[in-house]
Amino acid sequence: EVQLLESGGGLVQPGGSLRLSCAAPGLMFSSYAMGWVRQAPGKGLEWVSGIEGNSRRTYYGDSVKGRFTISRDNSKNTLYLQMNSLRVEDTAVYYCAKSHSGWLVDYFDYWGQGTLVTVSS
Amino acid sequence: EIVLTQSPGTLSLSPGERATLSCRASQSISSNYLAWYQQKPGQAPRLLISVASNRATGIPDRFSGSGSGTDFTLTISRLEPEDFAVYYCQQYGTSPSTFGQGTRLEIK
Repeated sequence: EVQLLESGGGLVQPGGSLRLSCAAPGLMFSSYAMGWVRQAPGKGLEWVSGIEGNSRRTYYGDSVKGRFTISRDNSKNTLYLQMNSLRVEDTAVYYCAKSHSGWLVDYFDYWGQGTLVTVSS
Repeated sequence: EIVLTQSPGTLSLSPGERATLSCRASQSISSNYLAWYQQKPGQAPRLLISVASNRATGIPDRFSGSGSGTDFTLTISRLEPEDFAVYYCQQYGTSPSTFGQGTRLEIK
């Protein structure tokens, strides 16, 4: 069974930074693209960022481009999302999700439990 | 980007009834790369269907997906109490991948 274990969420002031992590123990991690999908309170799902298995290609949604950076450490089976210049509208539950394949654009077959990021003064 | 519009926004049905959820795309979805997810309160989304009609591992056969091009449907043949949740479609045929706004399936 694939496990995705997120951490790093919390309360941060506008303009602040936060780094999310997602550990995937036991997974052939480098074989799969990974992504971050967020869900604002009471809202739908938004694909925020993605990264291929070899980190060659990445994706950022327009709402986070230039502020967020996705990365991965395949030796540690861990995915990261560095979030800078946070805004109130970034408040959401952030899900780590595993792509079905190594392709950057694919469906997500496993999801983490989510970590809440609250941006507020 | 491709916009997915799900209808209805809310569907009120009783256990045992048949549910039909729609997902319409603003342009044709390449290779019918459309997925469906179920999300219950406080939980992460769960994959139900990929490539428009392929059930994911462990998904009961009362869930079925159909459609092509721009019009797709998720059907739940006989609703069980645990099926009442929010359902999302996602297209992954064209970058960026996008999600529909969701359909809430509630108990009547």
